[in-house]
Amino acid sequence: AQKVTQAQTEISVVEKEDVTLDCVYETRDTTYYLFWYKQPPSGELVFLIRRNSFDEQNEISGRYSWNFQKSTSSFNFTITASQVVDSAVYFCALSEATGRRALTFGSGTRLQVQP
Amino acid sequence: EAQVTQNPRYLITVTGKKLTVTCSQNMNHEYMSWYRQDPGLGLRQIYYSMNVEVTDKGDVPEGYKVSRKEKRNFPLILESPSPNQTSLYFCASSPADGGVYEQYFGPGTRLTVT
Repeated sequence: AQKVTQAQTEISVVEKEDVTLDCVYETRDTTYYLFWYKQPPSGELVFLIRRNSFDEQNEISGRYSWNFQKSTSSFNFTITASQVVDSAVYFCALSEATGRRALTFGSGTRLQVQP
Repeated sequence: EAQVTQNPRYLITVTGKKLTVTCSQNMNHEYMSWYRQDPGLGLRQIYYSMNVEVTDKGDVPEGYKVSRKEKRNFPLILESPSPNQTSLYFCASSPADGGVYEQYFGPGTRLTVT
């Protein structure tokens, strides 16, 4: 069975601080996909990134960066120079490559960025 | 604008009164899915559909039904709602042309069953 663990329930930082959100996953599949979604206070789910299990390159998109380490089954998300607008719940998710393609979500990390 | 829409956005109902939450997408996606979100549990899949007339159970299907008569629509039916179905529901869609793509989510439907 697949499992995603986000051990950090809530993180509070002051604006301009860097913050890393941890994600650890479990799967028996050799091919799988990892995702991060953002859920702002308005409630919608916003897609941030998709990564397949064969691509371990780190990725940077503006202030966001992702560190995928297959050896430790982790897919961590870093926000550099955080802003108040980054305040949200962030979900890490795992999907099988075939079959029902369900997203297995972690329980989320609530990030509060204080001005 | 490419989007997934859900209706209603908010619903308060009573135990046992049948209800339907509609979901529609305009992206011609083959794959559609329903999730429920509960505090501390993240999102869990209820049902999914790989294409028209092809539906199957997810992780928590008990008490729900779905249908997929058209590609764009994927309604969620609660025949006899109970208080433990009080939750935030999301519909999602994605392409299914052999790869695994990000799922695009609707705005959510907050359901309260009293």
